Amino acid sequence: GQQVMQIPQYQHVQEGEDFTTYCNSSTTLSNIQWYKQRPGGHPVFLIQLVKSGEVKKQKRLTFQFGEAKKNSSLHITATQTTDVGTYFCAGAGGGSQGNLIFGKGTKLSVKP
Amino acid sequence: GAGVSQSPSNKVTEKGKDVELRCDPISGHTALYWYRQSLGQGLEFLIYFQGNSAPDKSGLPSDRFSAERTGGSVSTLTIQRTQQEDSAVYLCASSFLFEKQYFGPGTRLTVT
Repeated sequence: GQQVMQIPQYQHVQEGEDFTTYCNSSTTLSNIQWYKQRPGGHPVFLIQLVKSGEVKKQKRLTFQFGEAKKNSSLHITATQTTDVGTYFCAGAGGGSQGNLIFGKGTKLSVKP
Repeated sequence: GAGVSQSPSNKVTEKGKDVELRCDPISGHTALYWYRQSLGQGLEFLIYFQGNSAPDKSGLPSDRFSAERTGGSVSTLTIQRTQQEDSAVYLCASSFLFEKQYFGPGTRLTVT
């Protein structure tokens, strides 16, 4: 079945450093969504990418969707302690299966 | 309006007992999802309801797990004869069609 792999599993950075997490699907996706889960909290939607090669920015966060719509990345510039949490990508395969397939997430810790 | 709510927020039960977890989705949302998240782990898809279609139960780990959604709104996840490995946070999410998912705060289940 469809799988979504996410790397790295953990990332420890110094405040001010950049951070990137990568997401790869075994199949072509109709869209990909990104969520952030703060420690002790629940996942919160960040963004959805639909078009091949799409790039979207939210302040210091840059999201990309690959040309083949099988991979995606989230890049954070100049991390801050408020960026701490686990970032999940979730791919939608489309078709009759409506559920998202979540990656296992990348847990980001930021040292002040 | 209000977000997704779940009850109870915490549930401690003895091994072998049955438990029911409740989810109230956002009004008007057509889709409802149940996920399980073990400590520090990713989201494990359990079941998905979309409108009046038959639910996608492909993620249920065993026949001890079942879920229903009454009137296209409230959902109950039932775990029969609980086992210690069922201990986890159970998250419910709702969405309009296949758009972004809104997660509830979760129910932390502890099986002793």
